[in-house]
Amino acid sequence: LAKTTQPISMDSYEGQEVNITCSHNNIATNDYITWYQQFPSQGPRFIIQGYKTKVTNEVASLFIPADRKSSTLSLPRVSLSDTAVYYCLVGDLNSGGYQKVTFGTGTKLQVIP
Amino acid sequence: EPEVTQTPSHQVTQMGQEVILRCVPISNHLYFYWYRQILGQKVEFLVSFYNNEISEKSEIFDDQFSVERPDGSNFTLKIRSTKLEDSAMYFCASSSQREMGTKNIQYFGAGTRLSVL
Repeated sequence: LAKTTQPISMDSYEGQEVNITCSHNNIATNDYITWYQQFPSQGPRFIIQGYKTKVTNEVASLFIPADRKSSTLSLPRVSLSDTAVYYCLVGDLNSGGYQKVTFGTGTKLQVIP
Repeated sequence: EPEVTQTPSHQVTQMGQEVILRCVPISNHLYFYWYRQILGQKVEFLVSFYNNEISEKSEIFDDQFSVERPDGSNFTLKIRSTKLEDSAMYFCASSSQREMGTKNIQYFGAGTRLSVL
């Protein structure tokens, strides 16, 4: 599994766009990038997944440059309820039906009123 | 939206006692997992389960731990003789290979907080 590096914490004001960047310099050809969100005392929740370029869903956007050595999770107009830990994970597209998810320390986002 | 459910939400037990944590994965999922998170620490993988057998387990998952899918809906984690250091949040997750355009998205339950006294 490729090692990922992301900031330990970030602060943002309500209504701002937040971009959290994750480095994964050793990403392999078959690896895909997945982001999870975890609120205190809750289980991680899937946010978005991508392989290359840009992916957007109702919650966030994921930007992946051509070299795929990093990715950026973009949260538009955050609210207080977006305060959580955000995890960037990299996994093998061809690993079969399952793969254990290896969580790092994540980025603790604090949204300020 | 389908979800993974876990019971109980909080389990208090005495050291040395056996506990069983229960999970109902999403109904059409084929792969099941247990993770734990000690307070203030990372989420740690314990075990994955597919086709009625363990696919992979971590070093944490020693002989004190076991998993079972006793029927078509439940997935359990048993700790035979709990230790103080087993106190943590335990998360169950499930995934399906069959979701279009995605790979191994795991859906997590809300967790069971295990307190060993």
